[in-house]
Amino acid sequence: AQRVTQPEKLLSVFKGAPVELKCNYSYSGSPELFWYVQYSRQRLQLLLRHISRESIKGFTADLNKGETSFHLKKPFAQEEDSAMYYCALNTNAGKSTFGDGTTLTVKP
Amino acid sequence: GAGVSQSPSNKVTEKGKDVELRCDPISGHTALYWYRQSLGQGLEFLIYFQGNSAPDKSGLPSDRFSAERTGGSVSTLTIQRTQQEDSAVYLCASSFRDAGYTFGSGTRLTVV
Repeated sequence: AQRVTQPEKLLSVFKGAPVELKCNYSYSGSPELFWYVQYSRQRLQLLLRHISRESIKGFTADLNKGETSFHLKKPFAQEEDSAMYYCALNTNAGKSTFGDGTTLTVKP
Repeated sequence: GAGVSQSPSNKVTEKGKDVELRCDPISGHTALYWYRQSLGQGLEFLIYFQGNSAPDKSGLPSDRFSAERTGGSVSTLTIQRTQQEDSAVYLCASSFRDAGYTFGSGTRLTVV
């Protein structure tokens, strides 16, 4: 069965510091991975997907199949990055399995 | 529509009553999902509709929960004989192919 683990429930960094939100998955097939973000009082929204290999709002994430990880990184955190972040795994069953989320706080 | 629309945004109901939650997905999105988000918890999968295929109901927590999707568009999630443990934010999302989900703003259900 597929599983997504986000080991940190809470993560706090100072503005300008690098940030890495960890995500590990277990799935025997070929995974599709996503990061979603939920800012305060806003709806959950897609941040990026591994297949696009894009950088959104300065965030990047690389799929490491050897380590079964899809960590989200940003070299210089901003206060507006404070939010809840969810990692999600999509399988060929069509639906996504979500991690429990990490609340990121960027302090001034 | 421009986004996924859910109604009502908030619902307070008495234990034992039935509730209906509505989701209007993005036009053209073939897949529709219901998830539940409890306080401090992640997203719990409930049910998934894809085109005209039979829905994947594997996440429904009990037979008090049911959902339908009419005409490949609007979906209704029904909870019968609500219990206090049903209190949560119910999220609907739609997607087209593998582009990722577009979420609605959710329905906050409180069972008192």
